[in-house]
Amino acid sequence: QVQLLESGGGVVQPGRSLRLSCAASGFTFNNYAMHWVRQAPGKGLEWVGFISYDGSNKYYGDSVKGRFTISRDNSKNTLYLQVTSLRLEDTAVYYCAKGFGYYEEYFDPWGQGTLVTVSS
Amino acid sequence: EVVLTQSPATLSLSPGERATLSCRASQSVRYFLAWYQQKPGQAPRLLIYDSSTRATGIPARFSGSGSGTDFTLTISSLEPEDFAVYYCQQRSNGLTFGGGTKVEIK
Repeated sequence: QVQLLESGGGVVQPGRSLRLSCAASGFTFNNYAMHWVRQAPGKGLEWVGFISYDGSNKYYGDSVKGRFTISRDNSKNTLYLQVTSLRLEDTAVYYCAKGFGYYEEYFDPWGQGTLVTVSS
Repeated sequence: EVVLTQSPATLSLSPGERATLSCRASQSVRYFLAWYQQKPGQAPRLLIYDSSTRATGIPARFSGSGSGTDFTLTISSLEPEDFAVYYCQQRSNGLTFGGGTKVEIK
């Protein structure tokens, strides 16, 4: 079955960088768009960004535009999120999700998430 | 950006009761709306997409309706495993989520 496994989270100081990974299995990874969605502790969901099946198109939420970069390595079935210039408000669980639906703008399924804590 | 407002914030019901959750959009999203369920410590799960289509494996007690700016998720008879937080999400203009409705045991 489809599995998504995030990794790379941890505690990081404000202003520093981190790279999150999402290992995909159980489906033909290079056929599908992928997303990152985050959830601050005790809060709701926030879409972070999208990458098309081949990496040629990328879109980001306003709060991360210019600081976060999504990429993918289809040869490794892996999705990445490079997060830079981290702020306290970037503290969240970061989920990767497979694009679903005709335009792949719904999310199904989701990984279990990786926690990023920004703290001095 | 389309703002989605979910109500109520919390719904206190007993197993077997009917749950009606609302999601209102700040502008028309046509029928491009989904619902997700999230249990504590777990990732969200897609329940409904395109307003009323159940995702694979979702029980028939879950139904969605609405178009334009007003949408409803109905759980016809609550099972113990349905107590969770529910989020709506639109894909008509950007991608945004509502703030969630917690369905708790009364």
